[in-house]
Amino acid sequence: SQQGEEDPQALSIQEGENATMNCSYKTSINNLQWYRQNSGRGLVHLILIRSNEREKHSGRLRVTLDTSKKSSSLLITASRAADTASYFCATDAIQGAQKLVFGQGTRLTINP
Amino acid sequence: EPEVTQTPSHQVTQMGQEVILRCVPISNHLYFYWYRQILGQKVEFLVSFYNNEISEKSEIFDDQFSVERPDGSNFTLKIRSTKLEDSAMYFCASSPQGMRGTEAFFGQGTRLTVV
Repeated sequence: SQQGEEDPQALSIQEGENATMNCSYKTSINNLQWYRQNSGRGLVHLILIRSNEREKHSGRLRVTLDTSKKSSSLLITASRAADTASYFCATDAIQGAQKLVFGQGTRLTINP
Repeated sequence: EPEVTQTPSHQVTQMGQEVILRCVPISNHLYFYWYRQILGQKVEFLVSFYNNEISEKSEIFDDQFSVERPDGSNFTLKIRSTKLEDSAMYFCASSPQGMRGTEAFFGQGTRLTVV
């Protein structure tokens, strides 16, 4: 299975702290993407990191990718209450059809 | 900013009825997808569509499901005879070049409730 699996399943921190979420996957990938989902809403694309990249930044987001360990992490710095959401990693395998396979997600709660 | 739009946002239907979920992908995109998310669970791939035909489908996408791009702008998912377990949020997505190396844009979803 290509699935990405996030860790932890739930994370609760204080506003202003950093939040780190991890994702592991099983097969070789072309890219890995992170999405955010507010409760009951759609999926918002956050960042895409290609298999030949090791780190990428976007605003308060920092994503790392370790293809040797088949893992990625998403760091949100200086968290805000509005960051409360579920975060999913999604992978696109090198072989096979073009589709994203999502993990179970991490439910992040930022406490004011 | 271009976006994928889905209608309706919420649909309630009787078990056994047919439903059609509608999506308008981003206009210059070539690849289209349907995903679903049962409440509290992960987002699952249903089907991908390119060049007016299905390019891949999952085990979930059985004979009760079909997709169509009837007029060059809309992309629809039809469930012929709904079951209780079809209750889920259904997401449409589009991508300019497939999902290899480019992001996919997702709509806000249609919440389908089968009663």
